[in-house]
Amino acid sequence: DIQMTQSPSTLSASVGDRVTITCRASQSISRWLAWYQQKPGKAPKLLIYMASILESGVPSRFSGSGSGTEFTLTIHSLQPDDFATYYCQQYNSYWTFGQGTKVEIK
Amino acid sequence: QVQLQESGPGLVKPSETLSLTCTVSGYSISSAYYWGWIRQPPGKGLEWIGSIYHSGSTYYNPSLKSRVTISVDTSKNQFSLKLSSVTAADTAVYYCAHSYANDYSDNWGQGTLVTVSS
Repeated sequence: DIQMTQSPSTLSASVGDRVTITCRASQSISRWLAWYQQKPGKAPKLLIYMASILESGVPSRFSGSGSGTEFTLTIHSLQPDDFATYYCQQYNSYWTFGQGTKVEIK
Repeated sequence: QVQLQESGPGLVKPSETLSLTCTVSGYSISSAYYWGWIRQPPGKGLEWIGSIYHSGSTYYNPSLKSRVTISVDTSKNQFSLKLSSVTAADTAVYYCAHSYANDYSDNWGQGTLVTVSS
């Protein structure tokens, strides 16, 4: 099984901040990684796939990078609508999600 | 616009079988793509349960494989989940979702809470 570990688990930030979330895979997954945003009571929303490709309609302040075992999601200039929980997901072998990173208001 | 909607009992007794259906509108599931299930226990993270190709090939999470069956009913444009021998640990919001290549989900249902309790 491929394990996905996100850090931090919780992140406190202010509007306008640059935020970075890290996701590490227990073995190489090439670039087979997606990022999702989830708000309370809602289904996850796809943000990025193939580690760095922005899903249609997602604001350009979101970006993804990485390959192999280490990946990052960056939110450039955090907006009020961005306070949510973020998950990474590998699809190199079946699917595994990270445990989530909650971005909260500082 | 493709839409997915889960339906099924919100309460299941321990040791029984959980059964959910996902109805797809705006696209014929017999045409292509993968259709899957993901769950989320209250206050916790996401867990992939499995998926089915439009032709019927299935892919299951190894940790749940012995208890899971996913099937497709093209006549009703639906796909279904059965999870047997449930326990309280199976209490979760269950989501159905679409993916183009069994890779990531770009379209999710709203989710349905299933509670396992006597």
